[in-house]
Amino acid sequence: QKEVEQNSGPLSVPEGAIASLNCTYSDRVSQSFFWYRQYSGKSPELIMSIYSNGDKEDGRFTAQLNKASQYVSLLIRDSQPSDSATYLCAVNKVQAGTALIFGKGTTLSVSS
Amino acid sequence: DTEVTQTPKHLVMGMTNKKSLKCEQHMGHRAMYWYKQKAKKPPELMFVYSYEKLSINESVPSRFSPECPNSSLLNLHLHALQPEDSALYLCASSQESRNTEAFFGQGTRLTVV
Repeated sequence: QKEVEQNSGPLSVPEGAIASLNCTYSDRVSQSFFWYRQYSGKSPELIMSIYSNGDKEDGRFTAQLNKASQYVSLLIRDSQPSDSATYLCAVNKVQAGTALIFGKGTTLSVSS
Repeated sequence: DTEVTQTPKHLVMGMTNKKSLKCEQHMGHRAMYWYKQKAKKPPELMFVYSYEKLSINESVPSRFSPECPNSSLLNLHLHALQPEDSALYLCASSQESRNTEAFFGQGTRLTVV
């Protein structure tokens, strides 16, 4: 089982719709979870972090965490064409000298 | 200011060359990272420095040699690379290596010919 799994997509939504991106992780003791957005040819940009069960909202973005199900999601409300990118789920690996482990990413396409 | 600066932005090198990638941050972060990213793949961890000491080396070939001269700087020395090493090399930093947000530089696009 891969450590962090995401559907690669592409996920296509019309402008103004809600985009829902999902991620599962295998290490039950992971404590920190992040969503990065990466435009083609650019570096990853941090958009959300979440550390405890429940929802965390920031503007049009909502991150959801369920540690019992080992599941993280990102909702993007009122999707815009500028949201078209690859969204990477990252989990902090709980070991000595820990670092982020990334899922393969989900490609989102928002059509106008 | 969440800025991590990498130089150069692009690099083309021959298989016999020696070159270095540089990364700098002024956020007071004590953890710095090198990641490698191939096209349509996620970033793959190479090295982690925590408090200027190498804490993770993900079985990276010795032709890649990291160096952390001080808490703000991170280098990646390259020697005798192969064409398959061509990729986007990303530097990142975080406050500490545990459970904190990491911020990426813009990357160095490396082509080995």
